[in-house]
Amino acid sequence: EDKVVQSPLSLVVHEGDTVTLNCSYEVTNFRSLLWYKQEKKAPTFLFMLTSSGIEKKSGRLSSILDKKELFSILNITATQTGDSAVYLCAVAVNTGTASKLTFGTGTRLQVTL
Amino acid sequence: DSGVTQTPKHLITATGQRVTLRCSPRSGDLSVYWYQQSLDQGLQFLIQYYNGEERAKGNILERFSAQQFPDLHSELNLSSLELGDSALYFCASSATYAPGTGSLNTEAFFGQGTRLTVV
Repeated sequence: EDKVVQSPLSLVVHEGDTVTLNCSYEVTNFRSLLWYKQEKKAPTFLFMLTSSGIEKKSGRLSSILDKKELFSILNITATQTGDSAVYLCAVAVNTGTASKLTFGTGTRLQVTL
Repeated sequence: DSGVTQTPKHLITATGQRVTLRCSPRSGDLSVYWYQQSLDQGLQFLIQYYNGEERAKGNILERFSAQQFPDLHSELNLSSLELGDSALYFCASSATYAPGTGSLNTEAFFGQGTRLTVV
């Protein structure tokens, strides 16, 4: 069974701190790893990673994938209260003629003043 | 706005009943995914359709079924509802998929979800 594990489950930081969120996976027929941010309702897409060692960056957020060790990290620098959300990691796998996304349970980040 | 539309936003129904959740994917997206998110649980993959055909199945109960219509909208039918079915049900859509070529865009965009409460 495909498995995606995120850590920590939850963390609280002060505004301005840097955080690192972890995602490890055990899947068959890996295609890509995706990060999403879920605030109140629908998850919103952040990054898609397919190649090891290539950092993807968007403003204060960055992410990298290690396909040998089967994990990814999401970094957020200079955190702001607006970064408070659940961050979801998902792995896309091929299932023969299709693909599906398996999600981890998420890391709940709270940024306080 | 992701471009994925789900209706209704909220649904309250009694145990034993049947409901239908509807999803309109982004324009041009052929793949539709359904997910269930219970309180404090992660997103659980239920089922995927591509261009009208079922393509992948996850932890979907036999009481649940789905279909994708020629206009690419999808419906998730939940029957004989139990209290434990109360959850947020998300639909997501993604764009390109080319079977056999390895070309695959798995970036999925989510609708706002339907909150189902079974009482």
